[in-house]
Amino acid sequence: GNSVTQMEGPVTLSEEAFLTINCTYTATGYPSLFWYVQYPGEGLQLLLKATKADDKGSNKGFEATYRKETTSFHLEKGSVQVSDSAVYFCALNANTGNQFYFGTGTSLTVIP
Amino acid sequence: DTAVSQTPKYLVTQMGNDKSIKCEQNLGHDTMYWYKQDSKKFLKIMFSYNNKELIINETVPNRFSPKSPDKAHLNLHINSLELGDSAVYFCASSQTGGNQPQHFGDGTRLSIL
Repeated sequence: GNSVTQMEGPVTLSEEAFLTINCTYTATGYPSLFWYVQYPGEGLQLLLKATKADDKGSNKGFEATYRKETTSFHLEKGSVQVSDSAVYFCALNANTGNQFYFGTGTSLTVIP
Repeated sequence: DTAVSQTPKYLVTQMGNDKSIKCEQNLGHDTMYWYKQDSKKFLKIMFSYNNKELIINETVPNRFSPKSPDKAHLNLHINSLELGDSAVYFCASSQTGGNQPQHFGDGTRLSIL
C-alpha cells in the first residue's frame, strides 16, 4: 500500500540552526512527493515538490531530494528563521489516482 | 482572487444540531476533497469528488454527507453534531495527474458545545 512516515515532533531549534525533517515513504509505482507547510491558523500550503527519482525540490531556502533507493524525501534548510515556525507535512501521490497520502506532520518552533 | 475558499471560517454550535460547510475553488480543478484535522494536527481524508462523482469515501459516520453541485463546489453537511466532531475541516482541490499538488482552503474551525 501507500504510506508516508515522518519524524515525530515537536522540534525546537535556535535561529540560524540547520533543519532536517525526515520523511520516508512506501508506494506502488512511481509517486510524486510533496512537502506542505501549515502556519498557525492557516491551511496547508505547498512548499516544494519532486516528481521523479533524483529530482530536487526547493523553495524559500528549503530543499528535499527524491531518493528512490532509500525511499526518502527529507526536508532541509541551512539556516532557519523564527518565521519558519510551523507544522510541516510530507505527502505523496501514487500517480494511480487522485488520492494523496500525508504524514502525521512535524511541528517546528524556532526560538530567537 | 482566493483559489480555494471555505465558509464559514468559524462554526460554534450545540450538540445535536445540523450544519453545513461550503467550499468553492476557482482553479479549474477537476477533483475536490474534504479533510478533518484533529487537535494533534493529524490530517484524515474524508471524501473526494472527481467531476462531481464520489471517488473516495473513507470510513466516516453517515452523519457526514458531501454534495458536489458542480466541479467547482463541494459542500459538507453534518447531521446530529457530536462533541467528537470538533476539529478543523479543510477543503482542497487538485487537477488529475499525480504530479499536480493539492491546494487547500484556510479551514473551518468547528466547535461543539
